[in-house]
Amino acid sequence: AQTIHQWPVAEIKAVGSPLSLGCTIKGKSSPNLYWYWQATGGTLQQLFYSITVGQVESVVQLNLSASRPKDDQFILSTEKLLLSHSGFYLCAWRDRANSDYTFGSGTRLLVI
Amino acid sequence: GQQVKQSSPSLTVQEGGISILNCDYENDMFDYFAWYKKYPDNSPTLLISVRSNVDKREDGRLTVFLNKSGKHFSLHITASQPEDTAVYLCAAAASSGSWQLIFGSGTQLTVMP
Repeated sequence: AQTIHQWPVAEIKAVGSPLSLGCTIKGKSSPNLYWYWQATGGTLQQLFYSITVGQVESVVQLNLSASRPKDDQFILSTEKLLLSHSGFYLCAWRDRANSDYTFGSGTRLLVI
Repeated sequence: GQQVKQSSPSLTVQEGGISILNCDYENDMFDYFAWYKKYPDNSPTLLISVRSNVDKREDGRLTVFLNKSGKHFSLHITASQPEDTAVYLCAAAASSGSWQLIFGSGTQLTVMP
């Protein structure tokens, strides 16, 4: 069975500080991976997607970047956090057989 | 504009009743439709999905109805239970392109005992 793990579970960071969020999926070869973000009270938005190692496409510009250094790993980062980056970050993978998305447990970020 | 829209932010149903959650979409290219359940501070969990080649899919107490001409899909939950209380998110994607799954803003379902 596939498992998707996100880290950290929660972060409180200062404005202007760097951020790195991680996502690992096990039990699936060459998964399509996605980063989503939900501001408090907002709608889930897709930020990035990656079909293969080393390739990432940006969907929404939020002064964030993403990388896929390994087949099973997806990283979301920024060098300088903004207050508006606060929210709930979710990693997901899509099963090509049935197109269903499965989400990780998420990282809650508060920027102060 | 919102490509996927849930017009009702909340719905209250009596235990044992039918909960009907609605979703409208704009993009004719959408051919994958899904409903997720979400608790506060948790990630969404897939309940049921359907492709555009069918107009109905059942799974236990859950039924998805798809009306492509009306650009509308709905989730019916029969024999609603207090444990069904949660936020329900609809989502849609187009298989042509990047398979970007676009979510609605959610409907808070409350099932009263």
